[in-house]
Amino acid sequence: GENVEQHPSTLSVQEGDSAVIKCTYSDSASNYFPWYKQELGKRPQLIIDIRSNVGEKKDQRIAVTLNKTAKHFSLHITETQPEDSAVYFCAASSTDSWGKLQFGAGTQVVVTP
Amino acid sequence: SAVISQKPSRDICQRGTSLTIQCQVDSQVTMMFWYRQQPGQSLTLIATANQGSEATYESGFVIDKFPISRPNLTFSTLTVSNMSPEDSSIYLCSAEGGNEQFFGPGTRLTVL
Repeated sequence: GENVEQHPSTLSVQEGDSAVIKCTYSDSASNYFPWYKQELGKRPQLIIDIRSNVGEKKDQRIAVTLNKTAKHFSLHITETQPEDSAVYFCAASSTDSWGKLQFGAGTQVVVTP
Repeated sequence: SAVISQKPSRDICQRGTSLTIQCQVDSQVTMMFWYRQQPGQSLTLIATANQGSEATYESGFVIDKFPISRPNLTFSTLTVSNMSPEDSSIYLCSAEGGNEQFFGPGTRLTVL
């Protein structure tokens, strides 16, 4: 089955700096890679996703890159703000297993003013 | 997008008892799923709730422990049976909508 590894486990950044979280996956059949943000006591919220037919996707301060050959994908947050502080999870699934998300272990991001 | 609600939001239960968690989606969805998030951990898929047929369980999860119902395209229940303290977790319902996957607010379960 799919195995998703996520690094780092914690990330502390100064407000205004960039944050990068990296994930690797094992199943070459995986073709959908969402990123979720989870604030304390809240549900995971989808912030961006990417499918295997593209290499990069951007939405304002957030971008995701995908390298299918190397089986890794990354989340980039620019101009970080204190409200970006949360736990971020990467995940992967395939067309055959749509909705069956395999999650990474999560990254605790702390943005200090 | 799909709006998902769950009941109860939290509960404290005695070991050996069972709790049924309800999940309601505001629109018809094909796929519904149940995840578990243990304290400070990531999310793990328990099972896929199939409408009109038995749920499909992931490795490490069995129907006797986590029976699931899916009577229609907007509703599902998960029962945590014969609970032990190790079952203390957040249980989240998930559904796909508009080619994205959304999560319910979760049910925080504490077993004493």
